[in-house]
Amino acid sequence: GENVEQHPSTLSVQEGDSAVIKCTYSDSASNYFPWYKQELGKRPQLIIDIRSNVGEKKDQRIAVTLNKTAKHFSLHITETQPEDSAVYFCAASIGNDKIIFGKGTRLHILP
Amino acid sequence: DTEVTQTPKHLVMGMTNKKSLKCEQHMGHRAMYWYKQKAKKPPELMFVYSYEKLSINESVPSRFSPECPNSSLLNLHLHALQPEDSALYLCASSQEGRGYGYTFGSGTRLTVV
Repeated sequence: GENVEQHPSTLSVQEGDSAVIKCTYSDSASNYFPWYKQELGKRPQLIIDIRSNVGEKKDQRIAVTLNKTAKHFSLHITETQPEDSAVYFCAASIGNDKIIFGKGTRLHILP
Repeated sequence: DTEVTQTPKHLVMGMTNKKSLKCEQHMGHRAMYWYKQKAKKPPELMFVYSYEKLSINESVPSRFSPECPNSSLLNLHLHALQPEDSALYLCASSQEGRGYGYTFGSGTRLTVV
């Protein structure tokens, strides 16, 4: 079955710098890759997603890149702000109503 | 309405109790999901309903029983739970299904004593 590895587990970044979180997946049939942000005590929220027919997608300060050959995808956050502090989960789906989550990255934005 | 509403927000129950968690969405989404999330872990899929029919059961113990009375409602009936079942239970819905574009509810924090 699908397996999603996520690195790093913890990331500390100075406010204003960029943050990068990387994920790899095992099932080459995976075709959908969402990223979720979960603040402490709150629900996961979809922040950006990408489908396998696209290599990159950007939404303001957030971008996701996908390398299908290498089976990895990354989240890039530029000009980080204190409100970016949260746990970020990557996920992958083969389009069968089931998504597999990575273990999460705790992002700390340092003042 | 772009929300998934879950009730109750908090629940404490004994191991012999029977309780139910409720989830509601009015976005016309065709797929609804139950997830379990332990502290500092990712959400773990339990059940998927697609067009009101159970499509995925991730080998969940029978003390958890899902029900989808209609396209807007999803219930999770709980009976004879164990303390290790204490967790955040999240409901989610998706317009297209297939895992695309989940909207999560705010969850029910369950404590089994």
